[in-house]
Amino acid sequence: NAGVTQTPKFQVLKTGQSMTLQCAQDMNHNSMYWYRQDPGMGLRLIYYSASEGTTDKGEVPNGYNVSRLNKREFSLRLESAAPSQTSVYFCASSKSPGTGYQPQHFGDGTRLSIL
Amino acid sequence: QKEVEQNSGPLSVPEGAIASLNCTYSDRGSQSFFWYRQYSGKSPELIMSIYSNGDKEDGRFTAQLNKASQYVSLLIRDSQPSDSATYLCAVRDGQNFVFGPGTRLSVLP
Repeated sequence: NAGVTQTPKFQVLKTGQSMTLQCAQDMNHNSMYWYRQDPGMGLRLIYYSASEGTTDKGEVPNGYNVSRLNKREFSLRLESAAPSQTSVYFCASSKSPGTGYQPQHFGDGTRLSIL
Repeated sequence: QKEVEQNSGPLSVPEGAIASLNCTYSDRGSQSFFWYRQYSGKSPELIMSIYSNGDKEDGRFTAQLNKASQYVSLLIRDSQPSDSATYLCAVRDGQNFVFGPGTRLSVLP
């Protein structure tokens, strides 16, 4: 029972490089989310997708883009990485609000360092 | 801006004691509430959901909700060193979730 799978688990980039973080869920959830978590800080929402084909900005979207490839997959792209984007990135998924007040389920995270 | 507040801790309790974690939220219309446990270097793990006023028990964990006071708490009975972690309170806000900053719990052997 995989749940939410994120790849890669670790990555080191140089300033200005680009990369895509991958996320896939097998729980048939409509909603997917990307968060970042910095040391000693809470979770901050970067982008979310309420359903396939839709995406919306969260609290800290600058410097990121997302793609909801299909119902299962939601990717996060850093076009030109900056040291301020060094963080742990979590992908999460949940059922839509209309199906009841369901929780989010998280992937294991991607630890990203920008040098 | 909807907010969820928690004491950041650390909260230290001896092994075998009851740990009490508290959370307040700003949106009186909130309907669903969650507690997550996050070990250092790991992802948040759902441990309790609560939707109705009152208590909900699951093993050593009890969640308590008081919508009139906009207050939700988590009690951990017979605390174990393995319970040492950060506990995140979350409130569902329609499509999104509002998380508190987390309370760091340390259970001392």
